[in-house]
Parts: sequence; structure tokens; C-alpha cells
Amino acid sequence: EAGVVQSPRYKIIEKKQPVAFWCNPISGHNTLYWYRQNLGQGPELLIRYENEEAVDDSQLPKDRFSAERLKGVDSTLKIQPAELGDSAVYLCASSSGGTSTDTQYFGPGTRLTVL
Amino acid sequence: QKEVEQDPGPLSVPEGAIVSLNCTYSNSAFQYFMWYRQYSRKGPELLMYTYSSGNKEDGRFTAQVDKSSKYISLFIRDSQPSDSATYLCATYSGGGADGLTFGKGTHLIIQP
Repeated sequence: EAGVVQSPRYKIIEKKQPVAFWCNPISGHNTLYWYRQNLGQGPELLIRYENEEAVDDSQLPKDRFSAERLKGVDSTLKIQPAELGDSAVYLCASSSGGTSTDTQYFGPGTRLTVL
Repeated sequence: QKEVEQDPGPLSVPEGAIVSLNCTYSNSAFQYFMWYRQYSRKGPELLMYTYSSGNKEDGRFTAQVDKSSKYISLFIRDSQPSDSATYLCATYSGGGADGLTFGKGTHLIIQP
């Protein structure tokens, strides 16, 4: 069974440029998460989807970040414009449900460097 | 104070040693506790999952939760160089509404 797929794996951009990350969850997983992991820190939740609905986006900086999950499968996270402090690894995770007993499976992440 | 505190290390031990990794948490509502392992340039992968207080064993790994002191532990017996990774503790309060709250992670090095 294929795991969570993310692309690109690495991205280097200059500040003020836009950037987008793509995630394909495990087949059949209805719940999708985007996390941000800063260097030397644990992942922090940005947004959670149940199918195509964003059910928790309280930690998403909405002035520059946006996300979508069309048709309840793939998801895209966008930053526009990027700032130096956005340099981090952006992790996508999925689970079969949104309850505490459903394991979250993580992708390899996209490592963003903003110059 | 962060909700989950974890010493970032690094923690370096010789091969074959017993490793003890620990976290503390502040929110008494937390009921579910997990340990994730993260290799360099990879995403976290679930190692152990426990509910409430008590011990859980899986092969060389034992997870321990003490809710009275808000203390979470992971023990690794007969440690191997392949165990070298960052170990993240994580919790959420349950109820199906939340993403995970992670500690910073402890960087573990097993010396051959």
C-alpha cells in the first residue's frame, strides 16, 4: 500500500514569492492534516480536513496561507507571499477517521527554504 | 510553558544499552499518548500508542504513562544503531476534534 505522497520534496524560493505544496493521502483516508515542523521542533498542526471540509484551521495564518482539498482526496497548501520565517518542513498526514483511535500516517514532507 | 515538554538531547548511548526517553505534559485533559520515531529527512512514524495510565510493551519498546505526575516514558531495550533517530512524544485530548500536540523530540544516537 502506498503511503502519503508529497511534492515537491524540496523548494527554495526568495521572500515575497508564492509557493505551493501538494499532498496525496493514503487511499480511502478521509481525514487529512497539514503540519509545519520548524528546525529542532515537533510538528504543529496548521489545518485538518474531514473529506473536503476544513474542520480545524485555527492555527493557519490566513493572511498568507491557504489550503484546499478538492473532491476530498488531494490537497494543496499555498503560501503567498512567503516570508523568511516560513522556512520549515511542511508535513502532510492522513488517517482513516478523525478520532483518537485512528493512526495518523505522515508523508516525507516538503522542505521549504525562503531566502 | 508548552503543553508538552521534551528534552531535545542529543542523547548518546552505546549499542545494547537500555534507553529511557521522557516527556511531561501540562493539560490534564490529555488521555491518549503516542511515541513517534522520525529518521532524518523522513516523516514521523507511529511507534507506540497508549490510553490513560499504564504500560504497553511491543518487542524491545515499552511505553509508560503516569497521569498522576503527567509523565510519559519510552524505554528501548537492547538498543541498536538503527534506533538512532528523533523520538517525538505526542498527545491529544481525544474526542476526535484535534490534531496532535507534539514535544520537540529527543535526538537519540546509538553508538556501535
